[in-house]
Amino acid sequence: DGGITQSPKYLFRKEGQNVTLSCEQNLNHDAMYWYRQDPGQGLRLIYYSQIVNDFQKGDIAEGYSVSREKKESFPLTVTSAQKNPTAFYLCARPRQGPRLGYTFGSGTRLTVV
Amino acid sequence: AQSVTQPDIHITVSEGASLELRCNYSYGATPYLFWYVQSPGQGLQLLLKYFSGDTLVQGIKGFEAEFKRSQSSFNLRKPSVHWSDAAEYFCAVTNYGGSQGNLIFGKGTKLSVKP
Repeated sequence: DGGITQSPKYLFRKEGQNVTLSCEQNLNHDAMYWYRQDPGQGLRLIYYSQIVNDFQKGDIAEGYSVSREKKESFPLTVTSAQKNPTAFYLCARPRQGPRLGYTFGSGTRLTVV
Repeated sequence: AQSVTQPDIHITVSEGASLELRCNYSYGATPYLFWYVQSPGQGLQLLLKYFSGDTLVQGIKGFEAEFKRSQSSFNLRKPSVHWSDAAEYFCAVTNYGGSQGNLIFGKGTKLSVKP
């Protein structure tokens, strides 16, 4: 898994519910990222965190929330305020060393039922 | 603002044929450029990267890419495509010097391979 693990792989949400997606990393990196992927849209940044207890909004943060209480964990909550939550969600961490891009988790597919 | 354009949404090539996937970026400074590949339902895997030096970079799985500053391009190539190369390919750019330093992705090119 390249040191980054997402769970669950599939998640179903009812209208009006909040759901939390898990992302864990075991390589002691400070930075972690959440992206949303929709068909034909590429990846869009939701939130990122560069240090524990601090995080920043990305391009499409509305309807999402995150926390970073521990370095190894960066959970994403999809709230009921997110009007179109059905998507593929990807968590990432920097590769070893700067300028080397990211390593991605295997993703969580969220579907509203 | 930084942006990445992948002009081709979907490309189909025959197995054994050569491949070129196009990527153009918009960026004021020297960019750091990446190509990723994604199989259906999976995360992204890094194919190759460029940030300085030789403008022709080699990656995994027999892929290479050439950075052309004058054309703001970073096209991905492979001399002979295999059926297992069928996937979606994403070009990405970052600067690592800005306040975010995060990756900006193109919308992807889906590659189909004919037998």
